[in-house]
Amino acid sequence: AQRVTQPEKLLSVFKGAPVELKCNYSYSGSPELFWYVQYSRQRLQLLLRHISRESIKGFTADLNKGETSFHLKKPFAQEEDSAMYYCALATNAGKSTFGDGTTLTVKP
Amino acid sequence: GAGVSQSPSNKVTEKGKDVELRCDPISGHTALYWYRQSLGQGLEFLIYFQGNSAPDKSGLPSDRFSAERTGGSVSTLTIQRTQQEDSAVYLCASSSVGGANYGYTFGSGTRLTVV
Repeated sequence: AQRVTQPEKLLSVFKGAPVELKCNYSYSGSPELFWYVQYSRQRLQLLLRHISRESIKGFTADLNKGETSFHLKKPFAQEEDSAMYYCALATNAGKSTFGDGTTLTVKP
Repeated sequence: GAGVSQSPSNKVTEKGKDVELRCDPISGHTALYWYRQSLGQGLEFLIYFQGNSAPDKSGLPSDRFSAERTGGSVSTLTIQRTQQEDSAVYLCASSSVGGANYGYTFGSGTRLTVV
């Protein structure tokens, strides 16, 4: 069975500092990994997909199959990055497993 | 439609009553998912519809929960004889190309409170 672990429930950094939100997964097949973000009073939305290798709002995430990780990083955090972040694993069965989420607070 | 639409946005019900939650996915999206988000918890998978295939009901927590999708579009999640532990935000999402691998578009959710 697949599993997604986000070890930090809460993460707090100062504006301008680097930020890394950790995500580890377990899955025996070939994973598709995603990060979703939920800003205050907004709906959950897709932030980025590992397969796209894109940078969205300055965030990047690299899939490390050896460490089974997909950590989300940003070199300089902004106050508007404060939100709940979810890591998710999609399988060929067609559904996604989500981690428990990390609440990021960026302090001024 | 422009996005995934869920109704009602809030529902307060008495313990033991039945409730129906509605989801209208993005037009043309063949896959539709229901998840539950409890306070301080992650997203718990409930059920998944893909085209005309039999739904994946493996996440439904009890036989009080059921869902249907009519005409490959609108879906209704029904909870019978609601209990206080059913209180949560129920999220609907849809996806194109049949499957989760392209990412989901979520609705704004229905906040269910059972009193």
